[in-house]
Amino acid sequence: KAGVTQTPRYLIKTRGQQVTLSCSPISGHRSVSWYQQTPGQGLQFLFEYFSETQRNKGNFPGRFSGRQFSNSRSEMNVSTLELGDSALYLCASSPEGTLGNEQFFGPGTRLTVL
Amino acid sequence: AQSVTQLGSHVSVSEGALVLLRCNYSSSVPPYLFWYVQYPNQGLQLLLKYTTGATLVKGINGFEAEFKKSETSFHLTKPSAHMSDAAEYFCAANAGGTSYGKLTFGQGTILTVHP
Repeated sequence: KAGVTQTPRYLIKTRGQQVTLSCSPISGHRSVSWYQQTPGQGLQFLFEYFSETQRNKGNFPGRFSGRQFSNSRSEMNVSTLELGDSALYLCASSPEGTLGNEQFFGPGTRLTVL
Repeated sequence: AQSVTQLGSHVSVSEGALVLLRCNYSSSVPPYLFWYVQYPNQGLQLLLKYTTGATLVKGINGFEAEFKKSETSFHLTKPSAHMSDAAEYFCAANAGGTSYGKLTFGQGTILTVHP
């Protein structure tokens, strides 16, 4: 099976712009989670989607949003970008998102905000 | 709230030496626990996980971890380090309850292996 894919791999934006990142989970996986990784804050959970519904959300401002499509592909959007949004954004999928399920991670999208 | 603490942001060992990376969790209910490894410019790869049952868990690449409820610990070990083990390691927990799809990560430990 192909692994989790994320597009684009690298992105450069300027403050105030918005950005959309895409994630394709492993075939058959219905749960998609998103994480932000920065040197200062480490890995932080953004949100999780299952069957097109957001089941869980981390402590991020409303500028961060996401959605999931019927084929389980997911997108996350960040509006009004700030310098502090520069990070590696990781997507992970699991079969059902059941408690204790391991998550399979994609390579990430590295976002730089200038 | 669930938290995960990794003691030591950097660990350095010689090739062939024991690797010990420490992880403690805080929770009133034992969580599901994971160790992931991240190589530069890559995503995270699962090394091993503990859910229920046997407290000594074996993973890939010769790594293993022991769940100790009394110490709220889940330390990662490998008897003999290889150069290829140099990477950043993350301990993570899923707290149960309604924490679907949510992993709480420690701050990470960078492992350096010297020849």
